[in-house]
Formats: sequence, structure tokens, C-alpha cells
Amino acid sequence: DVKVTQSSRYLVKRTGEKVFLECVQDMDHENMFWYRQDPGLGLRLIYFSYDVKMKEKGDIPEGYSVSREKKERFSLILESASTNQTSMYLCASRNRGHIRNSPLHFGNGTRLTVT
Amino acid sequence: ILNVEQSPQSLHVQEGDSTNFTCSFPSSNFYALHWYRWETAKSPEALFVMTLNGDEKKKGRISATLNTKEGYSYLYIKGSQPEDSATYLCASQGAQKLVFGQGTRLTINP
Repeated sequence: DVKVTQSSRYLVKRTGEKVFLECVQDMDHENMFWYRQDPGLGLRLIYFSYDVKMKEKGDIPEGYSVSREKKERFSLILESASTNQTSMYLCASRNRGHIRNSPLHFGNGTRLTVT
Repeated sequence: ILNVEQSPQSLHVQEGDSTNFTCSFPSSNFYALHWYRWETAKSPEALFVMTLNGDEKKKGRISATLNTKEGYSYLYIKGSQPEDSATYLCASQGAQKLVFGQGTRLTINP
């Protein structure tokens, strides 16, 4: 079974702090994604990556950056955390984007609170 | 941005009853339609990925249909059980990324 591991389940940070959310997958998946989930809004895509050192902006990239130095690891960075970034963050991976029926495999999520 | 809509937003069903809910998506630039189940304190789990118009998939008491021409998919649950309580997410896959709907929160009343 694919395992996607997010480094923290709960995180509390102060406004202005630099925050790193880490995600590791163990199935050699090329594609990795960061979503945030807010009540009534569903999952919204922040950034995604097709392969090592590649990154693409999703629908809400402002205030975030990402890093993919190794295939198994995809990091989400909040350069200067703000209260409107309080949310549930979900990482996902997927085997080869050109295979149409390949599902996403999700981590357990990180609930981030910015005070 | 693709607009994916799910209805209803929430649903309460008696144990043993059957239920269904809807996912609407833009029919242009369509690659695949995904359904996920997200139980509290767990990670979302893939139920189905469908690509062909008219496709029907089944997993135990849960099934799904797909109409790509008109841009909708139905998820059916037969004989609901308490363990079916979860949020059900659909996502429309385009050329590059998946766009999710807001989800349908299903609660099964014993």
C-alpha cells in the first residue's frame, strides 16, 4: 500500500513565522500535490509537482512556496504565516499524471493554526 | 478554474436506507472523474476513477455512474450502514490537475 506521511498532525505557529510542512511518499510517485481544506470550500490546490525540481502553481499559490529536491519529498513553505492560512493542509501523490485513471493517495493532513 | 459542484452539501439518512448524491463538472477538457471517501480523523481514500461516458463502477454497496456529455456523476449507496458516515468528494481531472467539489457530508442515523 502507498504511504503518504505528513510530518505533523497539528501545528500552532505565530503570525510572521516561516513554516515548513513536510510530506514524504514511499511509492516512487512522480506527481505530488499540496491542498488546503476549509469548511464549505472543498480541497483547493496550492502547488503541485510533476517530478524532482519541478513545480507548478495551483489555484491559490499566494503566500506559499514549495520545494522538491528529492522525488519522495514535497515541502510546503509558508514564508510569513498569516492568520488566514489557518487551515487543514493535505499532501497527495499520484503515479504518473498521463495515466488517466490513477487516483490520488493522501496523507493524514496537518491542521495548522496561526495565532 | 474548473467549477465542480456537489449536491447536497449534507445529508442525513436512516440506517438501511439507500441514498445518492451528485457531482457536476464542466464537460470540456475532461480526462477523468474521481470519487473519494473522507472519514473523520483519516485521510481521503479513493473509491472510483472513471474515464468513459456511460461508465459504471461498483465497490460493495457503493456504485457510481458517469455522464461526460452532460457533465455529471452520481454516487449511490445501497443499504446505508453507520460506517458509511463520511464526507464524499468528487474531483474532475483535466489535462494537468484535479479540481475538487465542496463535498457531501453523509451522516447515517442508527
